[in-house]
Amino acid sequence: DSGVTQTPKHLITATGQRVTLRCSPRSGDLSVYWYQQSLDQGLQFLIQYYNGEERAKGNILERFSAQQFPDLHSELNLSSLELGDSALYFCASSVASGTPNEQFFGPGTRLTVL
Amino acid sequence: AQKITQTQPGMFVQEKEAVTLDCTYDTSDPSYGLFWYKQPSSGEMIFLIYQGSYDQQNATEGRYSLNFQKARKSANLVISASQLGDSAMYFCAMRGVIQGAQKLVFGQGTRLTINP
Repeated sequence: DSGVTQTPKHLITATGQRVTLRCSPRSGDLSVYWYQQSLDQGLQFLIQYYNGEERAKGNILERFSAQQFPDLHSELNLSSLELGDSALYFCASSVASGTPNEQFFGPGTRLTVL
Repeated sequence: AQKITQTQPGMFVQEKEAVTLDCTYDTSDPSYGLFWYKQPSSGEMIFLIYQGSYDQQNATEGRYSLNFQKARKSANLVISASQLGDSAMYFCAMRGVIQGAQKLVFGQGTRLTINP
């Protein structure tokens, strides 16, 4: 158990819908990262937040957005969903930002868009 | 830009044998970190081992060791005395720093199957 929690574990929805994925980092970790794992794209970095502020953006679509709240939990919002958004979405956390600390991954949310 | 290459899509190894999973990387940053993660069929990503670019010695964690050859830009994972529970996907990743923030760049992974 990495100490990072993600909810829900599974999510099935339809095209055009909007969903919210939630992540709670390990106690004491200030950085939260979101990754998408799909069959064709592999594991890709989406976005990072540090202590409530956006720090880095990766291959995140404009239909996707994220935020980190004062209690440090983070939410990833996916809207106007398409079939290709079906993937495993991971949240990871680390103590700081820009340091060699490893990132601890949550169990992931498996999103299926029908 | 950073890039990780894992050239072995799949590997089959007999139980108790040692196995080496290949990883090569490309970066222009003088300071970087290399990670290996294990992803069993249940889906979670499990951190295995870390090697910093300035570390003088190869990293080891139990049965895992990292064969770091900086000049060749390779960071192969060695698993000694493999066990059935080692069957999983293995990902090599590199930490890159963008705008003072770190992100991980992953390879495509190697599916390791341990045969009894």
